[in-house]
Amino acid sequence: NAGVMQNPRHLVRRRGQEARLRCSPMKGHSHVYWYRQLPEEGLKFMVYLQKENIIDESGMPKERFSAEFPKEGPSILRIQQVVRGDSAAYFCASSGQGTNQPQHFGDGTRLSIL
Amino acid sequence: QKEVEQNSGPLSVPEGAIASLNCTYSDRGSQSFFWYRQYSGKSPELIMFIYSNGDKEDGRFTAQLNKASQYVSLLIRDSQPSDSATYLCAVNRANNLFFGTGTRLTVIP
Repeated sequence: NAGVMQNPRHLVRRRGQEARLRCSPMKGHSHVYWYRQLPEEGLKFMVYLQKENIIDESGMPKERFSAEFPKEGPSILRIQQVVRGDSAAYFCASSGQGTNQPQHFGDGTRLSIL
Repeated sequence: QKEVEQNSGPLSVPEGAIASLNCTYSDRGSQSFFWYRQYSGKSPELIMFIYSNGDKEDGRFTAQLNKASQYVSLLIRDSQPSDSATYLCAVNRANNLFFGTGTRLTVIP
């Protein structure tokens, strides 16, 4: 499967635990984006990364959230000390080189906080 | 003012009709525009993208862009029940996509 791969598909955490969401971009893509979709709301941009670089994190909450895209391996979105309000669908997208390239989405991770 | 605005619908059309979905955006500097389809509980699927003023056709889908009016639309010809979904308009600025809240389309058999 050459598409954007996200795992896990579903993740359940208790308040105060950590959540780690993984994303492998489409083959040939080097740009990764994370979006969050709250129930009945639109997709909100969180962060844009290239290998070993955070290009734009203007959509990331100031605390508890971090993202990385290491030289080897998938991109990781990490949420520390989760709260009920973090429950959402988190989507990863990837695109090829250049500006204005179409972004293709993975199947998402549905995060539920108990 | 929201970056991207869409009529949330729901929009209902009979099978075989043309569905017209509209979107306006606020930033005149935006350069690329995308339409995604999202079925309930699924991820957004890219349908069309358009960069230049005018029309772009792909099968039953036509995207229309008017930069002067800051307006993007999607026409779906010969609508099918399988087209029933939420359609998201997205505008690219600085490599980030800004999404509208989507228009829910129902195609009635």
